[in-house]
Amino acid sequence: GAVVSQHPSRVICKSGTSVKIECRSLDFQATTMFWYRQFPKQSLMLMATSNEGSKATYEQGVEKDKFLINHASLTLSTLTVTSAHPEDSSFYICSAGGATGGIDTQYFGPGTRLTVL
Amino acid sequence: GDSVTQMEGPVTLSEEAFLTINCTYTATGYPSLFWYVQYPGEGLQLLLKATKADDKGSNKGFEATYRKETTSFHLEKGSVQVSDSAVYFCALTLSGGYNKLIFGAGTRLAVHP
Repeated sequence: GAVVSQHPSRVICKSGTSVKIECRSLDFQATTMFWYRQFPKQSLMLMATSNEGSKATYEQGVEKDKFLINHASLTLSTLTVTSAHPEDSSFYICSAGGATGGIDTQYFGPGTRLTVL
Repeated sequence: GDSVTQMEGPVTLSEEAFLTINCTYTATGYPSLFWYVQYPGEGLQLLLKATKADDKGSNKGFEATYRKETTSFHLEKGSVQVSDSAVYFCALTLSGGYNKLIFGAGTRLAVHP
């Protein structure tokens, strides 16, 4: 149990285009989902927290108009990188809470590697 | 601010060696503490956790004890295997509920036969 999937696993796009990344909780309902960014050989940095049916809460320094987050259901959250640029190239990881591991446990997706040319 | 500090890697060990990865934290409240593991090409997986002082989390032969007096949560395993090669992240979250995780920088472990 407690499986979180992400799609796509990797994407390459041209500068200026938008890319949507999906995060799904496959066997539990996730009341809260988190989006992280991980640079090579570095730790995860939280970008935003989203609760089903409400607006996402962004961390300081994260542009909400550039990284659009939608959490329309208890099993799906999407991150759209709008007008992507090469500096947006990174590994994006989502996590979901609400599984059997306890109220403070998050379960992570496998990540999406974005490369912007 | 709240933070997590891990020992720098990479840590290179021979199979069956004893493993310790140090982790210390700074937090204003009473955090829950976690160790996550990231195998090559995969997402983070929860390895173990502890929610209050003196709790010991354990899983797959790994264990860590929540030491409030030293603000530490060191990860240990008595006998590592090649399959334990991965990146290990120490993390904390404050209070209850789905508060944000604050991660350490990660420690890469390489185990050789």
